[in-house]
Amino acid sequence: QQPVQSPQAVILREGEDAVINCSSSKALYSVHWYRQKHGEAPVFLMILLKGGEQKGHEKISASFNEKKQQSSLYLTASQLSYSGTYFCGTEIMDSNSGYALNFGKGTSLLVTP
Amino acid sequence: GAVVSQHPSWVICKSGTSVKIECRSLDFQATTMFWYRQFPKQSLMLMATSNEGSKATYEQGVEKDKFLINHASLTLSTLTVTSAHPEDSSFYICSATPLDLSYEQYFGPGTRLTVT
Repeated sequence: QQPVQSPQAVILREGEDAVINCSSSKALYSVHWYRQKHGEAPVFLMILLKGGEQKGHEKISASFNEKKQQSSLYLTASQLSYSGTYFCGTEIMDSNSGYALNFGKGTSLLVTP
Repeated sequence: GAVVSQHPSWVICKSGTSVKIECRSLDFQATTMFWYRQFPKQSLMLMATSNEGSKATYEQGVEKDKFLINHASLTLSTLTVTSAHPEDSSFYICSATPLDLSYEQYFGPGTRLTVT
């Protein structure tokens, strides 16, 4: 049930863009995106619930495809503060865990000056 | 915004002892709290789902007798690692779902457990 994230890691120069993908073999009820700094708890970025939905948060946005099996996180004009590990958390349609999330393995993002 | 606290933030204990970790939602009531474990450079792994007033639901492979969860109120859940061993050393993170925002989860700052 663990979603698959790609890429595993990416290094950007400040101002460059990046896309992080999250996919599932089953239709999802929701997709959550989090960023985690080393040694800290994850910080909520956004949640997507509807197929075809796109949502933005400043220069960070995400989409959820129509089939609700894939989501992408878009980081535009990256800043140094964007560095961290990005996780997608997913809830599958037939989950009986009640909003419990399964997390991908994470994408490590490093933004350099 | 919704705030979740954990206590302690860091604990070192000897092998064989038990450790209790508290998770509190400070400014909201939480119907459900979740406990995750995270090993270095790995993803968060769900351990159990805790509902106030009922028994926790454990994920496959998680020993319920070793990781005792008590959800005493709508603002407090505790995780007790019993007879801890070095392999239990990990970063334990709780999250809470507000009563009126059931789709969102707010994470505590985490508790780093080191068993010597």
